[in-house]
Amino acid sequence: AQRVTQPEKLLSVFKGAPVELKCNYSYSGSPELFWYVQYSRQRLQLLLRHISRESIKGFTADLNKGETSFHLKKPFAQEEDSAMYYCALIMNTGFQKLVFGTGTRLLVSP
Amino acid sequence: EADIYQTPRYLVIGTGKKITLECSQTMGHDKMYWYQQDPGMELHLIHYSYGVNSTEKGDLSSESTVSRIRTEHFPLTLESARPSHTSQYLCASSDTSGGLYEQFFGPGTRLTVL
Repeated sequence: AQRVTQPEKLLSVFKGAPVELKCNYSYSGSPELFWYVQYSRQRLQLLLRHISRESIKGFTADLNKGETSFHLKKPFAQEEDSAMYYCALIMNTGFQKLVFGTGTRLLVSP
Repeated sequence: EADIYQTPRYLVIGTGKKITLECSQTMGHDKMYWYQQDPGMELHLIHYSYGVNSTEKGDLSSESTVSRIRTEHFPLTLESARPSHTSQYLCASSDTSGGLYEQFFGPGTRLTVL
């Protein structure tokens, strides 16, 4: 069965430090991977998707099919990056449903 | 403005009451979803819809029911609320136009059943 694992519930770093939020997935097919973010008192929103190969707010994520990982990285964390981050995958068969990980809370301290 | 609306945002209700959580979208999307999310936990899909008159149960079993009579409206109903239904409920819709998939989420309804 498809599954998304985010091993860290909380990641605490200082401003300016590098950040890596881990995400591993299990899916036998070819998934699409996403990172969603939820800032305090805001709704859940898409941060980036792997097929776009984009950098959003300084964040990047590379799909590693060999390691079945899609880790989110930023070289220099900012206080405004503090939020809840969810990794998600979508199966490209049948109805397109998102499968979410348990989320990682990123706390960036000054 | 294209958006997803959920009402009420907060609801505290007694056991046994019937409740309906409203979700409307002006995004023009065909697919809509309901998720349940407990604090600090992952989102669980409880219902989804391909379009009008189409509803399906999601991955997490739920005692709630949904209807989709209009494209923009996807209400969720609990016939008899219980404390175990206390949770946050998120509504979402999706679009695959242009080949890029994205789900858009509403602000959520936080339900507390006493």
